[in-house]
Amino acid sequence: AQTVTQSQPEMSVQEAETVTLSCTYDTSENNYYLFWYKQPPSRQMILVIRQEAYKQQNATENRFSVNFQKAAKSFSLKISDSQLGDTAMYFCAFINRDDKIIFGKGTRLHILP
Amino acid sequence: DADVTQTPRNRITKTGKRIMLECSQTKGHDRMYWYRQDPGLGLRLIYYSFDVKDINKGEISDGYSVSRQAQAKFSLSLESAIPNQTALYFCATSDLAEEETQYFGPGTRLLVL
Repeated sequence: AQTVTQSQPEMSVQEAETVTLSCTYDTSENNYYLFWYKQPPSRQMILVIRQEAYKQQNATENRFSVNFQKAAKSFSLKISDSQLGDTAMYFCAFINRDDKIIFGKGTRLHILP
Repeated sequence: DADVTQTPRNRITKTGKRIMLECSQTKGHDRMYWYRQDPGLGLRLIYYSFDVKDINKGEISDGYSVSRQAQAKFSLSLESAIPNQTALYFCATSDLAEEETQYFGPGTRLLVL
Protein backbone atom coordinates (compact mmCIF):
# COMPACT_ATOMS: atom_id res chain seq x y z
CA ALA A 1 0.00 0.00 0.00
CA GLN A 2 1.14 3.50 -0.77
CA THR A 3 1.48 5.74 2.27
CA VAL A 4 2.65 9.25 3.11
CA THR A 5 4.04 10.02 6.56
CA GLN A 6 4.60 13.43 8.09
CA SER A 7 6.37 12.84 11.39
CA GLN A 8 6.04 16.38 12.76
CA PRO A 9 2.48 17.17 13.82
CA GLU A 10 3.36 20.72 14.83
CA MET A 11 6.34 23.10 14.58
CA SER A 12 7.13 26.67 15.59
CA VAL A 13 9.91 28.94 14.34
CA GLN A 14 10.78 32.61 14.60
CA GLU A 15 10.09 34.90 11.70
CA ALA A 16 12.98 35.06 9.19
CA GLU A 17 14.34 31.68 10.23
CA THR A 18 14.58 28.65 7.95
CA VAL A 19 12.40 25.64 8.67
CA THR A 20 12.28 22.15 7.19
CA LEU A 21 9.17 19.97 7.15
CA SER A 22 9.69 16.24 6.77
CA CYS A 23 7.80 13.79 4.57
CA THR A 24 8.42 10.17 3.71
CA TYR A 25 6.41 7.96 1.43
CA ASP A 26 6.19 4.36 0.45
CA THR A 27 5.67 3.09 -3.08
CA SER A 28 6.92 0.44 -5.45
CA GLU A 29 6.36 2.68 -8.46
CA ASN A 30 9.16 4.38 -10.33
CA ASN A 31 7.29 7.25 -11.94
CA TYR A 32 5.19 9.49 -9.73
CA TYR A 33 4.64 13.04 -8.53
CA LEU A 34 5.03 14.60 -5.13
CA PHE A 35 3.42 17.77 -3.84
CA TRP A 36 3.37 20.10 -0.90
CA TYR A 37 0.10 21.90 -0.22
CA LYS A 38 -0.46 24.75 2.22
CA GLN A 39 -3.71 25.31 4.11
CA PRO A 40 -3.79 28.70 5.87
CA PRO A 41 -6.51 29.65 8.37
CA SER A 42 -8.71 30.59 5.41
CA ARG A 43 -8.81 26.77 4.84
CA GLN A 44 -8.08 27.08 1.13
CA MET A 45 -5.75 24.33 -0.17
CA ILE A 46 -2.91 26.00 -2.06
CA LEU A 47 -0.23 24.23 -4.10
CA VAL A 48 3.22 25.19 -2.83
CA ILE A 49 5.53 23.06 -4.93
CA ARG A 50 5.58 19.98 -7.16
CA GLN A 51 8.30 17.44 -7.94
CA GLU A 52 8.43 14.83 -10.68
CA ALA A 53 10.15 11.66 -9.55
CA TYR A 54 12.09 11.26 -12.78
CA LYS A 55 13.74 14.65 -12.31
CA GLN A 56 16.84 14.60 -10.15
CA GLN A 57 16.92 18.35 -9.73
CA ASN A 58 15.09 19.57 -6.64
CA ALA A 59 12.14 21.86 -7.32
CA THR A 60 12.21 25.44 -6.05
CA GLU A 61 9.58 28.18 -5.89
CA ASN A 62 10.94 31.43 -4.50
CA ARG A 63 11.51 30.83 -0.76
CA PHE A 64 10.26 27.24 -0.96
CA SER A 65 12.47 24.34 -2.00
CA VAL A 66 12.46 20.61 -1.61
CA ASN A 67 15.06 17.99 -0.81
CA PHE A 68 13.98 14.99 -2.84
CA GLN A 69 15.79 11.77 -2.01
CA LYS A 70 14.26 9.13 -4.25
CA ALA A 71 16.18 6.15 -2.90
CA ALA A 72 15.26 7.09 0.65
CA LYS A 73 11.69 7.97 -0.39
CA SER A 74 12.02 11.30 1.35
CA PHE A 75 10.54 14.64 0.24
CA SER A 76 11.18 17.46 2.70
CA LEU A 77 10.10 21.09 2.28
CA LYS A 78 12.42 23.93 3.21
CA ILE A 79 11.03 27.39 3.81
CA SER A 80 13.68 30.11 3.84
CA ASP A 81 13.29 33.54 5.42
CA SER A 82 9.99 32.47 6.94
CA GLN A 83 7.19 35.02 7.09
CA LEU A 84 4.12 35.38 9.28
CA GLY A 85 1.98 34.54 6.26
CA ASP A 86 3.61 31.11 6.10
CA THR A 87 1.67 30.09 9.21
CA ALA A 88 -0.51 27.24 7.99
CA MET A 89 -1.06 23.52 7.86
CA TYR A 90 1.23 21.86 5.33
CA PHE A 91 0.33 18.61 3.61
CA CYS A 92 2.68 16.36 1.71
CA ALA A 93 1.01 14.37 -1.06
CA PHE A 94 1.93 11.60 -3.48
CA ILE A 95 0.39 10.43 -6.73
CA ASN A 96 1.37 8.07 -9.48
CA ARG A 97 0.05 8.29 -13.00
CA ASP A 98 -3.64 7.47 -13.42
CA ASP A 99 -4.03 6.91 -9.72
CA LYS A 100 -5.40 8.74 -6.75
CA ILE A 101 -3.56 11.27 -4.63
CA ILE A 102 -2.63 10.28 -1.09
CA PHE A 103 -2.14 12.94 1.56
CA GLY A 104 -0.13 12.89 4.76
CA LYS A 105 -1.85 13.97 7.95
CA GLY A 106 -0.20 17.36 7.91
CA THR A 107 2.23 19.51 9.86
CA ARG A 108 0.92 22.62 11.58
CA LEU A 109 3.52 25.37 11.23
CA HIS A 110 3.52 28.48 13.40
CA ILE A 111 5.72 31.43 12.44
CA LEU A 112 6.32 33.53 15.53
CA PRO A 113 6.87 37.31 15.39
CA ASP B 1 -13.48 34.31 -10.76
CA ALA B 2 -12.33 31.16 -9.00
CA ASP B 3 -11.56 28.16 -11.19
CA VAL B 4 -13.21 25.70 -8.78
CA THR B 5 -16.28 26.78 -6.85
CA GLN B 6 -18.29 25.03 -4.18
CA THR B 7 -21.78 25.75 -2.89
CA PRO B 8 -22.76 26.20 -0.18
CA ARG B 9 -19.70 27.40 1.73
CA ASN B 10 -21.28 26.61 5.06
CA ARG B 11 -24.23 24.42 5.92
CA ILE B 12 -25.98 23.35 9.10
CA THR B 13 -28.39 20.47 8.85
CA LYS B 14 -30.15 17.98 11.08
CA THR B 15 -29.65 14.26 11.42
CA GLY B 16 -31.58 12.34 8.78
CA LYS B 17 -31.80 15.18 6.27
CA ARG B 18 -30.67 14.79 2.68
CA ILE B 19 -28.23 17.42 1.50
CA MET B 20 -26.26 18.09 -1.65
CA LEU B 21 -22.94 19.83 -2.02
CA GLU B 22 -22.16 21.17 -5.45
CA CYS B 23 -18.90 21.73 -7.28
CA SER B 24 -18.28 23.52 -10.55
CA GLN B 25 -15.05 24.14 -12.43
CA THR B 26 -13.96 26.29 -15.33
CA LYS B 27 -10.53 24.69 -15.77
CA GLY B 28 -11.73 22.24 -18.42
CA HIS B 29 -10.33 19.32 -16.44
CA ASP B 30 -11.71 15.83 -16.91
CA ARG B 31 -10.97 14.57 -13.41
CA MET B 32 -12.89 15.64 -10.32
CA TYR B 33 -12.73 14.55 -6.70
CA TRP B 34 -14.52 14.90 -3.38
CA TYR B 35 -12.53 14.87 -0.16
CA ARG B 36 -13.38 15.09 3.47
CA GLN B 37 -11.09 16.75 6.00
CA ASP B 38 -11.25 16.00 9.71
CA PRO B 39 -8.86 17.38 12.34
CA GLY B 40 -5.73 15.23 12.61
CA LEU B 41 -6.71 12.99 9.70
CA GLY B 42 -5.67 15.00 6.68
CA LEU B 43 -7.78 14.68 3.54
CA ARG B 44 -9.58 11.47 2.73
CA LEU B 45 -11.02 10.65 -0.67
CA ILE B 46 -14.77 10.02 -0.85
CA TYR B 47 -15.43 9.65 -4.59
CA TYR B 48 -13.67 10.51 -7.81
CA SER B 49 -14.54 10.74 -11.47
CA PHE B 50 -12.10 10.59 -14.38
CA ASP B 51 -14.71 11.61 -16.95
CA VAL B 52 -18.45 12.14 -17.22
CA LYS B 53 -19.23 8.42 -17.48
CA ASP B 54 -16.76 7.33 -14.83
CA ILE B 55 -17.53 7.25 -11.08
CA ASN B 56 -15.33 5.51 -8.51
CA LYS B 57 -15.49 4.99 -4.79
CA GLY B 58 -12.71 6.35 -2.67
CA GLU B 59 -11.49 5.50 0.79
CA ILE B 60 -14.67 6.50 2.68
CA SER B 61 -17.67 6.34 0.34
CA ASP B 62 -20.22 4.82 2.74
CA GLY B 63 -23.08 7.23 3.41
CA TYR B 64 -22.30 9.34 0.34
CA SER B 65 -23.26 9.36 -3.31
CA VAL B 66 -22.16 11.50 -6.26
CA SER B 67 -23.37 12.64 -9.62
CA ARG B 68 -21.26 13.90 -12.51
CA GLN B 69 -23.80 16.00 -14.38
CA ALA B 70 -21.30 17.37 -16.88
CA GLN B 71 -17.57 17.71 -17.32
CA ALA B 72 -17.71 20.86 -15.22
CA LYS B 73 -20.06 19.70 -12.45
CA PHE B 74 -19.67 17.08 -9.74
CA SER B 75 -22.07 16.97 -6.80
CA LEU B 76 -21.87 15.09 -3.53
CA SER B 77 -24.98 13.94 -1.65
CA LEU B 78 -25.52 12.79 1.88
CA GLU B 79 -28.70 10.75 1.66
CA SER B 80 -29.37 10.75 5.39
CA ALA B 81 -26.92 12.96 7.25
CA ILE B 82 -25.45 11.83 10.57
CA PRO B 83 -23.39 13.82 13.10
CA ASN B 84 -20.11 12.06 12.30
CA GLN B 85 -20.35 13.48 8.78
CA THR B 86 -19.63 16.88 10.28
CA ALA B 87 -16.45 17.92 8.48
CA LEU B 88 -14.87 20.20 5.91
CA TYR B 89 -15.53 18.99 2.37
CA PHE B 90 -13.34 19.82 -0.60
CA CYS B 91 -13.86 19.40 -4.29
CA ALA B 92 -10.79 19.21 -6.52
CA THR B 93 -9.94 18.84 -10.19
CA SER B 94 -6.92 17.57 -12.05
CA ASP B 95 -5.74 16.80 -15.56
CA LEU B 96 -3.03 14.59 -17.01
CA ALA B 97 -1.82 17.54 -19.04
CA GLU B 98 -0.97 19.33 -15.79
CA GLU B 99 0.78 16.31 -14.31
CA GLU B 100 -2.01 15.42 -11.94
CA THR B 101 -1.74 18.61 -9.91
CA GLN B 102 -4.95 18.93 -7.92
CA TYR B 103 -6.73 22.28 -7.78
CA PHE B 104 -9.06 22.70 -4.87
CA GLY B 105 -12.27 24.57 -4.29
CA PRO B 106 -12.66 26.76 -1.21
CA GLY B 107 -14.32 24.03 0.86
CA THR B 108 -17.75 23.54 2.41
CA ARG B 109 -18.02 23.41 6.17
CA LEU B 110 -20.85 21.05 7.12
CA LEU B 111 -22.34 20.68 10.59
CA VAL B 112 -24.82 17.88 11.23
CA LEU B 113 -26.79 18.33 14.43
